Formats: sequence, structure tokens, C-alpha cells
Amino acid sequence: GQNIDQPTEMTATEGAIVQINCTYQTSGFNGLFWYQQHAGEAPTFLSYNVLDGLEEKGRFSSFLSRSKGYSYLLLKELQMKDSASYLCAVRVRELGGYQKVTFGIGTKLQVIP
Amino acid sequence: DSGVTQTPKHLITATGQRVTLRCSPRSGDLSVYWYQQSLDQGLQFLIQYYNGEERAKGNILERFSAQQFPDLHSELNLSSLELGDSALYFCASSVVASGNSYNEQFFGPGTRLTVL
Repeated sequence: GQNIDQPTEMTATEGAIVQINCTYQTSGFNGLFWYQQHAGEAPTFLSYNVLDGLEEKGRFSSFLSRSKGYSYLLLKELQMKDSASYLCAVRVRELGGYQKVTFGIGTKLQVIP
Repeated sequence: DSGVTQTPKHLITATGQRVTLRCSPRSGDLSVYWYQQSLDQGLQFLIQYYNGEERAKGNILERFSAQQFPDLHSELNLSSLELGDSALYFCASSVVASGNSYNEQFFGPGTRLTVL
């Protein structure tokens, strides 16, 4: 199976930068997703990495190192509305070609004034 | 709006009862996934269907079952309900993954089930 670790909670200040880390142990790795989930709402897709390096999308960036089994999500110029849970999800290719996605428990980010 | 719809939005029932949750995927998506999210818990994958056939099973209890119909909508059936089954149940849909394409999952708004 997959083992995905992320910090449970983080707090950061409005306007600052925060980095949310995710480590994973798996075989057949075929991509890593970050999703944002506000309390009581559905997760929404933020980013996808399959190759090593940094993917930038506005205020959000995601980094992947496949050799280290490590990813981070970087949020810049934090806004109060960024208070949410951030879910790291790993996709693996299983026998028969099926691709399975497993979600981490999520990091609850609180942005304070 | 992700394009995935789920009904009902809220459901309150008693222990021992049976309920059916319904999901309609985004237009063109062939895969449907069901997840359970209890309070302060991560998304627990239950089951996936692709074009009407079961594709993968996660931590789904024997009391739970699902199916995907020819029009691609899906239903999750929960029976002999227990207090611990109270949770948010999400449905997600995606197109079929090919190579390293995104194939991200689009989530519906969820059904909040309360078992009393």
C-alpha cells in the first residue's frame, strides 16, 4: 500500500509564505496531486506533479522529488480564504495498468491576521 | 461547480436502516469514485467504477455496496447502518487516465449522513 505523511496542522500569517510538506512511500509511483478542501466542502484540484521539479500556478506552487518521495505545496501572499485543509494524494500504477489514487489525511492550515 | 452532482445533500436516519446515495458524474467522465470522510479524518477510498464495471475496491464494508448504471450515474447503498457510519460521503469522477495525463478527480458536494 501507500504511506503518505503530512503535518496535521499549520498556522501562518496573512501575507506570508507557507510550505506544506508531504512524504510518501510507494511503488509504481505515477504522479502526485494537491487538493484544497474547505471545511464541509468538496476537495478541489490545485496541482499535479509527475516529474521532478517545481510547477507554478499563480500564488500556489508544487514541488516534487521522486527519488526522495517528497513533495511540497508553497502558498504565497497568504489570504484569509486560504484557511483550509490541503490534501496530498499519490497515484500509483498497479498490476494490469490500473491507476489508484490514495489521499493523505490532509494538513489543516489556519491563516491568521 | 465541479459538474458532479450528488443527492441528497443531507440524510438523517436511524441505526439499522438502509440508505441510497446517488451521484451523477461530469459529462464525458467514465470513472466514478466513492469516498467516506468522517469528522477530522482523511478521505477514505471506498470503491471505483469505470463504465459500469467495478474497477477497484478500498476500505469498503460488506454492509456497503455500489453500482454504476448504463447512463453512468452511480449509487452507493449503505445498509444495517451504525452510528459510526455518520460521515460525509463524496463522489468523484474522472476521465480515463492515459500515460501521464492529469486525470484529476472532480468531486461532488457530498452527502452528509447522520445516523442517530
